[in-house]
Amino acid sequence: AQSVAQPEDQVNVAEGNPLTVKCTYSVSGNPYLFWYVQYPNRGLQFLLKYITGDNLVKGSYGFEAEFNKSQTSFHLKKPSALVSDSALYFCAVRDMAPGMNRDDKIIFGKGTRLHILP
Amino acid sequence: NAGVTQTPKFRVLKTGQSMTLLCAQDMNHEYMYWYRQDPGMGLRLIHYSVGEGTTAKGEVPDGYNVSRLKKQNFLLGLESAAPSQTSVYFCASSEDRENTEAFFGQGTRLTVV
Repeated sequence: AQSVAQPEDQVNVAEGNPLTVKCTYSVSGNPYLFWYVQYPNRGLQFLLKYITGDNLVKGSYGFEAEFNKSQTSFHLKKPSALVSDSALYFCAVRDMAPGMNRDDKIIFGKGTRLHILP
Repeated sequence: NAGVTQTPKFRVLKTGQSMTLLCAQDMNHEYMYWYRQDPGMGLRLIHYSVGEGTTAKGEVPDGYNVSRLKKQNFLLGLESAAPSQTSVYFCASSEDRENTEAFFGQGTRLTVV
């Protein structure tokens, strides 16, 4: 079964500095990876995804993520943080094991709370 | 285009009561999911469906039942609510292609007293 780990409960970054939110995953087949953001009292909003191809994926609001197969990681990054980026961020994975092992579940990590300090 | 709509948005139940949460999507998506969100636990998958008439168990299915009688609707039922089911519940849907993301509703905050 697939799993996702977000090792940091909270990340604090000063406004204007680069930010990284970490995610590692475990799958039996090839992974499809996603990042979502959640603002207070709202549902989750899709940021970006990795399916195949270029390991650096660009998404909404200036975010990007780097897929690293050898380290089974998919860290979320942004070159210059904004106070408005403060939110809860979730990494998610779908395990694309072939044939009978195919699993249509999307599994989420526990989330990382990002605080951008003015 | 409303996307994914959940009703109700808030509900307080007494222990032992039953209720049904409704999720409706207007994007003609095949896949639908129910998650619960608890502090420090992230989102955990309760049940999901890969098409009309199908359902499957997720990570935490106990105490819940689901039905997908119509493609656009996915119902989550609590037959006998327990305080441990106090949570925020999110419904999501996605296309029937593996490389597509899920779209989420705004959530239902359920309190069981």
